[in-house]
Amino acid sequence: DAGVTQSPTHLIKTRGQQVTLRCSPKSGHDTVSWYQQALGQGPQFIFQYYEEEERQRGNFPDRFSGHQFPNYSSELNVNALLLGDSALYLCASSLVWGDSPMNTEAFFGQGTRLTVV
Amino acid sequence: AQKVTQAQTEISVVEKEDVTLDCVYETRDTTYYLFWYKQPPSGELVFLIRRNSFDEQNEISGRYSWNFQKSTSSFNFTITASQVVDSAVYFCVYSGGYQKVTFGTGTKLQVIP
Repeated sequence: DAGVTQSPTHLIKTRGQQVTLRCSPKSGHDTVSWYQQALGQGPQFIFQYYEEEERQRGNFPDRFSGHQFPNYSSELNVNALLLGDSALYLCASSLVWGDSPMNTEAFFGQGTRLTVV
Repeated sequence: AQKVTQAQTEISVVEKEDVTLDCVYETRDTTYYLFWYKQPPSGELVFLIRRNSFDEQNEISGRYSWNFQKSTSSFNFTITASQVVDSAVYFCVYSGGYQKVTFGTGTKLQVIP
């Protein structure tokens, strides 16, 4: 089992550009969540996808959007990049039920380090 | 709004010492979940434990133990006989209700050989 895989591992973009990050969940998991982790901080919840729909969303602007494919893999898109978007972006997969974004063990990828210059 | 406080930013211990990482949370939810995750330098978060708000039983797993006390809104994590491989950043996480998942700011643990 390959676990959660993310690509690319590192990325450098210029302010105003757009970026797409990719995530393949752990085998058997149908729910993918995305988090942003600024340097020295805890991860912040961006949104969660289940059955190809955005199921829940944290406090992030519409510049952050996503997609989930029929094979449960997911993409995170960020438009009009700002310097403040520089962070480690983490993808987590799980089997989720109920209202909470995280009520079972989540498996995380190693993240994509995005630098905006 | 819910809040998770990990007051210890960094802790250094000598190998084989015991260490306790503190976590205090604030909430008005009656049903919620608490987690601890470990983040080694490689970046991925590794699940350690999950507790729901109705289960205050303490748990021990090898050298790790957790003390959940609803009366003080705390969920502390103790590593017994620490090892160098325990060096990492540890996050306490709260999740309760729609759209509510909050990570603490993390405690960086350094175990010195």
